[in-house]
Amino acid sequence: GAGVSQSPRYKVAKRGQDVALRCDPISGHVSLFWYQQALGQGPEFLTYFQNEAQLDKSGLPSDRFFAERPEGSVSTLKIQRTQQEDSAVYLCASSLGARGTGNTIYFGEGSWLTVV
Amino acid sequence: SQQGEEDPQALSIQEGENATMNCSYKTSINNLQWYRQNSGRGLVHLILIRSNEREKHSGRLRVTLDTSKKSSSLLITASRAADTASYFCATEMGDYKLSFGAGTTVTVRA
Repeated sequence: GAGVSQSPRYKVAKRGQDVALRCDPISGHVSLFWYQQALGQGPEFLTYFQNEAQLDKSGLPSDRFFAERPEGSVSTLKIQRTQQEDSAVYLCASSLGARGTGNTIYFGEGSWLTVV
Repeated sequence: SQQGEEDPQALSIQEGENATMNCSYKTSINNLQWYRQNSGRGLVHLILIRSNEREKHSGRLRVTLDTSKKSSSLLITASRAADTASYFCATEMGDYKLSFGAGTTVTVRA
């Protein structure tokens, strides 16, 4: 597609439920990022992939969060045993080059997660 | 943790006026970027200014960077209703991580 595509756009999960959020980056983009944006705040870095390799997962808030990009294109962010504090918008982004320095980073529309 | 901090938090202006918002950051950077986010939407990249640049223009946007003061400003000239959005500065320190501020919410009144 023309841009970064995320699904689902909206997800309501019951506390304790597992969720999976999907990201389709722009075709051919090497770098893929996940960010978490709480209401009224700026996005915070979660994890970075270069092709299929997860080079940085330092921003993942707990071991309940897991991300993968097995074939170097589509990525999934999985949250196990969701908690209310996980309620946020999860933004996926991609860029053409490796490591993103100076490259334009393109963001998706986000997946809005509400945990009730 | 967020490195950038935008000021003001919110701004309301009349259509046709200019809007100025500022960003301060704490540590040395490679570049600084500005993004726009319309309500309920993703982030749109507006402009990137490198650490060795002082000013950059793109259409109605003007960005300045003062590395000695660790600050940047975004000016939107001749604002339009479509400029109503939140604006974020993001600093890039390492190879790839962006650190965002909490944003400035701009409302342009018709």
